[in-house]
Amino acid sequence: DTAVSQTPKYLVTQMGNDKSIKCEQNLGHDTMYWYKQDSKKFLKIMFSYNNKELIINETVPNRFSPKSPDKAHLNLHINSLELGDSAVYFCASSRAVPGNEQFFGPGTRLTVL
Amino acid sequence: SQQGEEDPQALSIQEGENATMNCSYKTSINNLQWYRQNSGRGLVHLILIRSNEREKHSGRLRVTLDTSKKSSSLLITASRAADTASYFCATVGDSGAGSYQLTFGKGTKLSVIP
Repeated sequence: DTAVSQTPKYLVTQMGNDKSIKCEQNLGHDTMYWYKQDSKKFLKIMFSYNNKELIINETVPNRFSPKSPDKAHLNLHINSLELGDSAVYFCASSRAVPGNEQFFGPGTRLTVL
Repeated sequence: SQQGEEDPQALSIQEGENATMNCSYKTSINNLQWYRQNSGRGLVHLILIRSNEREKHSGRLRVTLDTSKKSSSLLITASRAADTASYFCATVGDSGAGSYQLTFGKGTKLSVIP
């Protein structure tokens, strides 16, 4: 009965590899987000999707690409991983109402070696 | 760029005491939200206060908003050890794509000592 789930919880990989993080929400929300939390705990939005359309795309490298097969899923694919990509990545969702509260997943800790 | 700035960065109190955290922001907002993050976990929404509201209560939480000073405060009364966590304020813009976007501060790390 988890509201927002992410897999995997931990991901350790080598520089240059390509990896994906999956996110699913069962709340019936229309909007989903990806955030990156760095080692200093600063959270920064990366992407959001509303009804499968990208509505926010912050200045993140184009190695990062969000993919949404349906409105319950928003996956994050990362190409050519770099050391600086090491962080915790959070998925979130909300109703498509401006300024609504967001529900966060448990996070995926990515470590690039 | 970062919108909210929490103060203090870290706070340590005894169980039963009150904890006050402050947040300042820079641009006009639709609303301001507070979230809690336990160590190794995702964020949990605590309370939302709209730009036309000045004060809001939820259980042991009291939030104030002063739009003229662009600041908010979160008060946790009668703190418990389980309140130990990081607390983040997040602002929502009042127009365009920013009205869907949460912009977070750096957070206040609260430690409640039993």
